Amino acid sequence: KNEVEQSPQNLTAQEGEFITINCSYSVGISALHWLQQHPGGGIVSLFMLSSGKKKHGRLIATINIQEKHSSLHITASHPRDSAVYICAVYSGGGADGLTFGKGTHLIIQP
Amino acid sequence: EAEVAQSPRYKITEKSQAVAFWCDPISGHATLYWYRQILGQGPELLVQFQDESVVDDSQLPKDRFSAERLKGVDSTLKIQPAELGDSAMYLCASGGQVGYGYTFGSGTRLTVV
Repeated sequence: KNEVEQSPQNLTAQEGEFITINCSYSVGISALHWLQQHPGGGIVSLFMLSSGKKKHGRLIATINIQEKHSSLHITASHPRDSAVYICAVYSGGGADGLTFGKGTHLIIQP
Repeated sequence: EAEVAQSPRYKITEKSQAVAFWCDPISGHATLYWYRQILGQGPELLVQFQDESVVDDSQLPKDRFSAERLKGVDSTLKIQPAELGDSAMYLCASGGQVGYGYTFGSGTRLTVV
């Protein structure tokens, strides 16, 4: 079974700071997802990666398949970015759902 | 934009009572998942459907939980009897292709008292 580790678990930063959240996994994967969850809310899919890098607005996600590692970056962070960010991986095989990390709780202070 | 519908949004129930959650996936999505997320943890898969068939329910506590997806469209997750430890967020997700392109519903927050 894939083990997904995220760091940091909690992060508090000032508005405007550059944010990096890391995710590492133990077994080779077919796809990695970055998800966002606001307090009490459902989950929104931000990115799905199989290789390389993706950018959407102020969010950037990268993955290094050889090192089994992915990062989510937020540029010019804003209080509305405050949420839990969850890394989830799909290992393939068809019969498994995603394996989730425990999430990174991000607070951006004005 | 297409979305995964879940209801109810919140549910409070007494221990030993029965409770049911409903999920309507995105039209055409063959794969449907139910996840349970305990506060402070990542979601855990309870059951995966491919059309109307269960593909994986190895983590579903079958003595009290049941799930069905009649006609391969919407799905119901039932707990009977509910226990205090079942308090969690229950998330439904659907996908057109296994492992990719997930869309999550807003979830049902269950509190068992």
